[in-house]
Amino acid sequence: DAGVTQSPTHLIKTRGQQVTLRCSPKSGHDTVSWYQQALGQGPQFIFQYYEEEERQRGNFPDRFSGHQFPNYSSELNVNALLLGDSALYLCASSLRTGEEAFFGQGTRLTVV
Amino acid sequence: GDSVTQMEGPVTLSEEAFLTINCTYTATGYPSLFWYVQYPGEGLQLLLKATKADDKGSNKGFEATYRKETTSFHLEKGSVQVSDSAVYFCALTQGGSEKLVFGKGTKLTVNP
Repeated sequence: DAGVTQSPTHLIKTRGQQVTLRCSPKSGHDTVSWYQQALGQGPQFIFQYYEEEERQRGNFPDRFSGHQFPNYSSELNVNALLLGDSALYLCASSLRTGEEAFFGQGTRLTVV
Repeated sequence: GDSVTQMEGPVTLSEEAFLTINCTYTATGYPSLFWYVQYPGEGLQLLLKATKADDKGSNKGFEATYRKETTSFHLEKGSVQVSDSAVYFCALTQGGSEKLVFGKGTKLTVNP
């Protein structure tokens, strides 16, 4: 079992650009959540996808959007990048009925 | 809204010392409580959890007891090892597939 996989591992973008991050959930999991972890801080919830729809959303602007595919994999898109979007982006997968979330290793996004 | 407060770090201990990392929470209802660990350059790993009052979670020598009366979930280990050096996050969820709310994290360094 490969666990939760994220790609790419590192990314450097310029202010104003757009970025897409990808996540493959743990085998058998149907729910994917995305978190932003700024340096020295705890992860902050961005949103969650289940059955290809956004089910919950944290306090993030509309520049942050996502998608879930029929195979449960997910993408996080960020438009009009700001320097403050520089962070580690973590994907977590779980079962809709489960308690435990499994995290990927994250994508380190640097905006210059 | 729900929140988690954990003791500020960093914490530096010698090998075989006793560890306590304090965590308190504010939440409506009866949340589930978690400790996650993040090793350098990696994502989050679930260390232990407790889903109801007076439950004790334990794993790899670490323990934490869900105290509803003091809204606390302090992490303890009787004898730390160098390999325990990491950042520890306390978190809560309102159950099932709900979002995780994290504390800011406590960095632990264990010296030989």
